[in-house]
Amino acid sequence: AQTVTQSQPEMSVQEAETVTLSCTYDTSENNYYLFWYKQPPSRQMILVIRQEAYKQQNATENRFSVNFQKAAKSFSLKISDSQLGDTAMYFCAFMTQNSGTYKYIFGTGTRLKVLA
Amino acid sequence: ETGVTQSPTHLIKTRGQQVTLRCSSQSGHNTVSWYQQALGQGPQFIFQYYREEENGRGNFPPRFSGLQFPNYSSELNVNALELDDSALYLCASSSAGPTTTDTQYFGPGTRLTVL
Repeated sequence: AQTVTQSQPEMSVQEAETVTLSCTYDTSENNYYLFWYKQPPSRQMILVIRQEAYKQQNATENRFSVNFQKAAKSFSLKISDSQLGDTAMYFCAFMTQNSGTYKYIFGTGTRLKVLA
Repeated sequence: ETGVTQSPTHLIKTRGQQVTLRCSSQSGHNTVSWYQQALGQGPQFIFQYYREEENGRGNFPPRFSGLQFPNYSSELNVNALELDDSALYLCASSSAGPTTTDTQYFGPGTRLTVL
C-alpha cells in the first residue's frame, strides 16, 4: 500500500530563520508526483511546491525548496527566511497516474508556527 | 483565494440521511477531485472526475458517489450518513488530462456534521 508519513506533528521557527519539514513515502511505482500544500488557519489549501519523480533536480519556488531523495523515498521541504504568514498546516502529498486513473495520498500534516 | 467555490459552507444532518455537496470549478478546469478531511487529519482522496467520468477513486464505499456536469461543476453525494462522515469536504479543480497532471486549486470546503 502507498503511504505518506509526516513524523513532525508540530514545529516552530523564529521569524527569518530556516526550517525543514520532513516527509517520507512508500510506493512501488516509478512514476509519480510529490507535493507540499499549505493550509493556513481557516483558509483554502494552496500548492507550495511540486516535484516530478523523474526529475533529479530539486524543485525550488522562491523561499521554498525541497530535498528529494528518490532512493530513500524522502521529500523534505525547506522554508528559508521564515515569515509570519508561513504559519499554517503543511501537508505532503503523493500522486500516481496509472492508465489514466489517478490516486492521491496526503500525509497527516505538520503544524508550523512562525514566532515573531 | 482560488476561483473554486463550494456550497453550502456548513451543513448539519442526522444519521441515515443523504447529503449533496456542490463545487464550482475554476474557469477552464475540466478535472475535479473530492477529499474528506477529518478534524486534525490530512485530506483523504474520495474520487476524481475528468470530463464527466470518474477516473480515480480512493478507499471509500459506494455510498459516496459523484457527478460532474458539462460546465465542469460537480456534486458529491453521500447516502446513509454515518457519524464518522463528519468532516470538512474539499473539492479541487485542475486542467489535468487523462495522462497529464496539473496544479489543483482547492475550494474553501463544506463542513458536514452528522448527529
